[in-house]
Formats: sequence, C-alpha cells, structure tokens
Amino acid sequence: AQSVTQLDSQVPVFEEAPVELRCNYSSSVSVYLFWYVQYPNQGLQLLLKYLSGSTLVKGINGFEAEFNKSQTSFHLRKPSVHISDTAEYFCAVSAPGGNNRKLIWGLGTSLAVNP
Amino acid sequence: ETGVTQSPTHLIKTRGQQVTLRCSSQSGHNTVSWYQQALGQGPQFIFQYYREEENGRGNFPPRFSGLQFPNYSSELNVNALELDDSALYLCASSDRDFGDTQYFGPGTRLTVL
Repeated sequence: AQSVTQLDSQVPVFEEAPVELRCNYSSSVSVYLFWYVQYPNQGLQLLLKYLSGSTLVKGINGFEAEFNKSQTSFHLRKPSVHISDTAEYFCAVSAPGGNNRKLIWGLGTSLAVNP
Repeated sequence: ETGVTQSPTHLIKTRGQQVTLRCSSQSGHNTVSWYQQALGQGPQFIFQYYREEENGRGNFPPRFSGLQFPNYSSELNVNALELDDSALYLCASSDRDFGDTQYFGPGTRLTVL
C-alpha cells in the first residue's frame, strides 16, 4: 500500500520569494507521482507529474519538482511566487502496476503568498 | 477537446434522501474515478470505472454506487444520505491504456442538512 505525507500544512511566503512544498511517500513498489493545485471552490488542476525518465519535472505556471527515489521524496519548487499562486497544493501517488490506478493523496499544503 | 464536466455544481439535500451526481469524461478517456473531499481534507477514493465495469473501490459503504455508460460518462449515486456525506465530490477521467493521468472536473458541492 502507498501513503503520502505532506510535511507542511501551511506555507506563508512573500511575493517573488522562492518556495518549496515538501512531499514524502511510502511504497513497496514503483509509483507515479503527481502535484495538483486547487484554487478556492474549484476542482483539482494537474501541475506536473513524474512517470519515468528524468527526475526533474517541469510543470505549468513555473513549478518544477524533483523525484528522489532514495529519499522517497517529490518536493515542489518555484523560484519566484506570485499572489495568484495562493492555493491548496496536493501531492498524490499511484501504483502503475495495480489493477486500478487510484490516487493516494496527502492532506494538502496551503500556500499563502503575501504582498 | 472538451474537459471533464460535472453536474450539478451545488446540491442541498436532507438526511435520508438519495442523490445522483453526473460526470462527463474528457474526450477519448475510458476510465472514470470518483473522490470525496471533505472540507480541509485531501480527496478520498470512492471507486473507479473502466470500460463500464467497476475497477476498484475505496473504503465507502454500499450505499455509494456508480455507473459508467457506453460513452464513458458516469454517475455517482448515494442513498440514505448522512450528514457526514457533505463534501465536494470530484470526478476524474483518464485513459487507463495510455499513462493514466487523471484530469478532474470542477466538482459537485453536496450539503446534507
């Protein structure tokens, strides 16, 4: 079985500062890794994903994440945040070899970008 | 290419009633997954349908049921509603045969009074 831990429930940051949202996972098998963003009262939008290949993954809105197998981490980073990045961010995993590829989610990290 | 759509956007029901939520998949996708997201929580997997067959179920009671139609749209039905069923219900479509990345609709906000 897989599990996901998002290490920070809230991350306050000033506009134009860099940010890192941390995600660790646990799994006995290979996994796919995802970051989704949820704006208030909206659904989930895919930011980026790691399926295989290069461990540095670039996504939309200037976000990137690095898969670290030895540390079982998939931290999300952005070098300079904007007010519009204020949202809830979710890390999720799925097991590609399973019968169904359900997503297992972390509890989310609330990113608050302040002027 | 159209995205994932869900209806209705909001719904208010009372305890004991039944509700049906609908989801239209993204064009070309054969798999639909349903999630429940309580306020302040991450989504919880309810079940998944692949080519009209249930393909996995989370820890939800049988009063949560679903269907997938030949055009790959889907319904989530909840009987005997309880107060704790109040949540955002999210539908995600994917192509299980190619990469299986899930794309989400805007969700249906269900309030049970």
